[in-house]
Amino acid sequence: GESVGLHLPTLSVQEGDNSIINCAYSNSASDYFIWYKQESGKGPQFIIDIRSNMDKRQGQRVTVLLNKTVKHLSLQIAATQPGDSAVYFCAENLDTGRRALTFGSGTRLQVQP
Amino acid sequence: KAGVTQTPRYLIKTRGQQVTLSCSPISGHRSVSWYQQTPGQGLQFLFEYFSETQRNKGNFPGRFSGRQFSNSRSEMNVSTLELGDSALYLCASSLLRMGEETQYFGPGTRLLVL
Repeated sequence: GESVGLHLPTLSVQEGDNSIINCAYSNSASDYFIWYKQESGKGPQFIIDIRSNMDKRQGQRVTVLLNKTVKHLSLQIAATQPGDSAVYFCAENLDTGRRALTFGSGTRLQVQP
Repeated sequence: KAGVTQTPRYLIKTRGQQVTLSCSPISGHRSVSWYQQTPGQGLQFLFEYFSETQRNKGNFPGRFSGRQFSNSRSEMNVSTLELGDSALYLCASSLLRMGEETQYFGPGTRLLVL
């Protein structure tokens, strides 16, 4: 994972549009990936996860895509709502036995009403 | 089911002091992990406990320590506080299920060192 700076990359979208948040992970040996949403003053909230033997997983309004060839993860949010405004982090775990997540730098999603 | 709880939520200390933070995991969860979140370094793994044993440790100095009790509740301690220890300290608990293990985070304890 990368160190987060004071200035997070920001994605600004209109309410109702689809959002795509990207993440480059660091370790080709990682086999489990998670997306978290963090709102101001709160802890990270689990959104969706995916194992390395999959390339796509869908949840409610969210889809995670995994491209192991280029070590890239993306989170797609359909019909983005103002309540989706938050910082989104991807996290990777070398294996389920470690439970030591490595977090990406985060992306701030701003939804314009 | 109640989520992960952390106490206190806010704390102000001065350099050189020590601090103890507490975490109560989700009922039935036996693994507790601790993370430090700062604007400069982001979210970084501190350590993980399972059945009262530290199983994993991140790259933090020995001033950072923790423990877990028989009821899975966990505490972390930071001794000889430094200004750079000011951060949001997050606790996460997890339960192995179907070969996957999702970590659920608490609201965090915000520590300010003056």
